[in-house]
Amino acid sequence: EVQLVESGGGLVQPGGSLRLSCAASGFTFRTYWMHWVRQAPGQGPVWVSRIKNDGDITSYADSVKGRFTISRDNAKNTLYLQMNSLRAEDTAVYFCAREGPTLTFHFDLWGRGTLVTVSS
Amino acid sequence: QSALTQPPSASGSPGQSVTISCSGTSSDVGGYNYVSWYQQYPGKAPKLMIYEVTKRPSGVPDRFSGSKSGNTASLTVSGLQAEDEADYYCSSYAGRNMGVFGTGTKVTVL
Repeated sequence: EVQLVESGGGLVQPGGSLRLSCAASGFTFRTYWMHWVRQAPGQGPVWVSRIKNDGDITSYADSVKGRFTISRDNAKNTLYLQMNSLRAEDTAVYFCAREGPTLTFHFDLWGRGTLVTVSS
Repeated sequence: QSALTQPPSASGSPGQSVTISCSGTSSDVGGYNYVSWYQQYPGKAPKLMIYEVTKRPSGVPDRFSGSKSGNTASLTVSGLQAEDEADYYCSSYAGRNMGVFGTGTKVTVL
């Protein structure tokens, strides 16, 4: 089955760190660019970060630049998001998403998401 | 990276059509034919409905169609059905390897 499964979310204090993982299966992970998208409760999705299929190119939303790091291990079919210096406004469900093969910044496969709550 | 602007709500009776707008700038919607649309049910992940402004992924009914004029993209749902009641979000490439989503529209089937 073609799927993405996120893990690693939870409750963390402001200023803390968390690493999210996204396990891919059912498709050739190493050939796809991948993204993280987050969605705060009751709000719309917000694009967070993107990584090239071989990991050589990364990009970030201004709101997370310098605090979050996207990476991938193609041997393990896994995408990561290292989140440091977390703030209350980072509270959201974090989705990993696969970019379509035409590389036109659309997301053709999504995981179910993992909830990150930043609170003291 | 300001969110793209969508109307908060839209509605129609079964069988009717509803059109949702997505307003951006020349740096995102107007600058690229990289607009996509997503359907989302409560508690679920978004689902791709339209990509590259007008293209439908396999399995998406042809009742869903997309278009763009200038800095505004639109999603039209024709022949509304009960299962179309959901939140809809547009998204666009915004240059510099970054993306942006819309504010979202809740579609109600009356």
